[in-house]
Amino acid sequence: GENVEQHPSTLSVQEGDSAVIKCTYSDSASNYFPWYKQELGKRPQLIIDIRSNVGEKKDQRIAVTLNKTAKHFSLHITETQPEDSAVYFCAATLINQAGTALIFGKGTTLSVSS
Amino acid sequence: GAVVSQHPSRVICKSGTSVKIECRSLDFQATTMFWYRQFPKQSLMLMATSNEGSKATYEQGVEKDKFLINHASLTLSTLTVTSAHPEDSSFYICSARAVGLAHSYNEQFFGPGTRLTVL
Repeated sequence: GENVEQHPSTLSVQEGDSAVIKCTYSDSASNYFPWYKQELGKRPQLIIDIRSNVGEKKDQRIAVTLNKTAKHFSLHITETQPEDSAVYFCAATLINQAGTALIFGKGTTLSVSS
Repeated sequence: GAVVSQHPSRVICKSGTSVKIECRSLDFQATTMFWYRQFPKQSLMLMATSNEGSKATYEQGVEKDKFLINHASLTLSTLTVTSAHPEDSSFYICSARAVGLAHSYNEQFFGPGTRLTVL
């Protein structure tokens, strides 16, 4: 089955700095890689995603890169702001008997100090 | 669009009782719904995949007789925690994958979660 590793578990940056979170996955059949932001007690919110046929995608201050050969993908947040502080999860698709599910990394707690 | 609701948002029950959690897709049809469990400061762990009209597929280590899943319609899936015990206390989150939405590609839309506390 799919296994997703995420690093670092915690990340502290100063406002305005960049933040990078990295994930690796094990199943070469995975074809969809979303990133979620979760605030305490709330549902995960999709912030950006990438399909396996694309190497990079950007949306304003957020970008994701994918290296299929190495089976790793990364989240890049530029010009960080205090409101970016949250837990971020990467995920990768798992193909199982029932269809396609998502397997999540363990999460990264991002703290942006002003 | 693509809104998923869950009910109840919070539930406190006594040990040994059963609790039913509902997950509804409000403005789209969902052939597939997923149930996750999240313990404090941990990640979302996939419990089961639920397809409309068929039996759920449970992940390894998840007891299907304890966590009963029913997906009777394209907009509703239910998770029943039977004979709940304190160790079942957790945040349960459902998600749904849409049928026919132009912007979706394996994208899952999450419900707001249900906080279960078993005394």
